[in-house]
Amino acid sequence: DTAVSQTPKYLVTQMGNDKSIKCEQNLGHDTMYWYKQDSKKFLKIMFSYNNKELIINETVPNRFSPKSPDKAHLNLHINSLELGDSAVYFCASSQDSGSGNTIYFGEGSWLTVV
Amino acid sequence: QKEVEQDPGPLSVPEGAIVSLNCTYSNSAFQYFMWYRQYSRKGPELLMYTYSSGNKEDGRFTAQVDKSSKYISLFIRDSQPSDSATYLCAMSDGSSASKIIFGSGTRLSIRP
Repeated sequence: DTAVSQTPKYLVTQMGNDKSIKCEQNLGHDTMYWYKQDSKKFLKIMFSYNNKELIINETVPNRFSPKSPDKAHLNLHINSLELGDSAVYFCASSQDSGSGNTIYFGEGSWLTVV
Repeated sequence: QKEVEQDPGPLSVPEGAIVSLNCTYSNSAFQYFMWYRQYSRKGPELLMYTYSSGNKEDGRFTAQVDKSSKYISLFIRDSQPSDSATYLCAMSDGSSASKIIFGSGTRLSIRP
């Protein structure tokens, strides 16, 4: 029973397209995140949602927009895709946004923009 | 200088060897220290979690934190081929889970 699940796992698309990645967690957590992992394996936080409210937005281009219909779901929409958007995107969740919380990651979505 | 530095490897050792993975950091406010393991084409999973300085042991894994040197280590005893993965250190000042800073990961390969 997957705790944090995201789809699709692999996505190849052309520059200029708009795409979405869906994420769901069944852990009952209050906080969800989107991370980006580049080719050098650096994991950078993009967004954090706590009880459906955006609580952090780490200077990502506004072509990226998170959408949270409820606290178990946090989808990532990307408009006008660029070559530099190619990366692995991880959805994650934690009990709440407080310190000392364990972050649980999904399996990742490999986005390739051609 | 990056907040968290980690040698990317790759590190290749024979099965049964003791492995030492390390990270250095610059922010003296960091209090929570974690190690994540990431298998190929998978998400990171939490392996070890420590608060402040000291050692923590869990089976074949030992996490060590030296705040005075701003240096953390993960030791793996009796390494197995199944330990082959990328290991990411992570740390935070405790203000928020969203402020966790990750290292770039060390790729480890255990040769049978």
